[in-house]
Amino acid sequence: AQSVTQLDSQVPVFEEAPVELRCNYSSSVSVYLFWYVQYPNQGLQLLLKYLSGSTLVESINGFEAEFNKSQTSFHLRKPSVHISDTAEYFCAVSGRGQGGKLIFGQGTELSVKP
Amino acid sequence: DAGVIQSPRHEVTEMGQEVTLRCKPISGHNSLFWYRQTMMRGLELLIYFNNNVPIDDSGMPEDRFSAKMPNASFSTLKIQPSEPRDSAVYFCASCRDRGQLDAFFGQGTRLTVV
Repeated sequence: AQSVTQLDSQVPVFEEAPVELRCNYSSSVSVYLFWYVQYPNQGLQLLLKYLSGSTLVESINGFEAEFNKSQTSFHLRKPSVHISDTAEYFCAVSGRGQGGKLIFGQGTELSVKP
Repeated sequence: DAGVIQSPRHEVTEMGQEVTLRCKPISGHNSLFWYRQTMMRGLELLIYFNNNVPIDDSGMPEDRFSAKMPNASFSTLKIQPSEPRDSAVYFCASCRDRGQLDAFFGQGTRLTVV
């Protein structure tokens, strides 16, 4: 079985400041890791994913996350946030061979202030 | 492709009534997931199907909940009888179960049971 812990429920930050959203997971098998973003009143959208290979993965809008196996972490970072990044961010894990079944963390609400 | 399509977007019903939520997955995706999102419990996986067969329904809260997938392009989640504590946003998601593991989410159905 897998579980995900997002350490911060809310992260307020000023525009153009850097941000880190923390995610730790536990699993008895090898995993795939994901970050999803949810804008108000919308479904979840995939932001980035780690399947294999390079432990640093990037999204098209400037976010990146690094898979750290020894620390069982997959923290999400962005060097300079925009107002439009305000949303809820979910970290998720899927065990290999489980056909895409995702287990989500509780979510982190990122609030970017001008 | 139109993405994962859920209907209705909003449903308000009285306690005791039957509720049916519908989902059309992305064509070619052979895994389908039903999630429930609440403030208290976050995103919970209720059930998932692979090739139209229920694989894991351990997240279904009780016998009042049932889900079917009669064919590759349609799934339903039924609650009978509904209770106020079932009020939540219900998401359907689909993915290919080989290679591409991104789960694509629908816009969700916001259910209110009064």
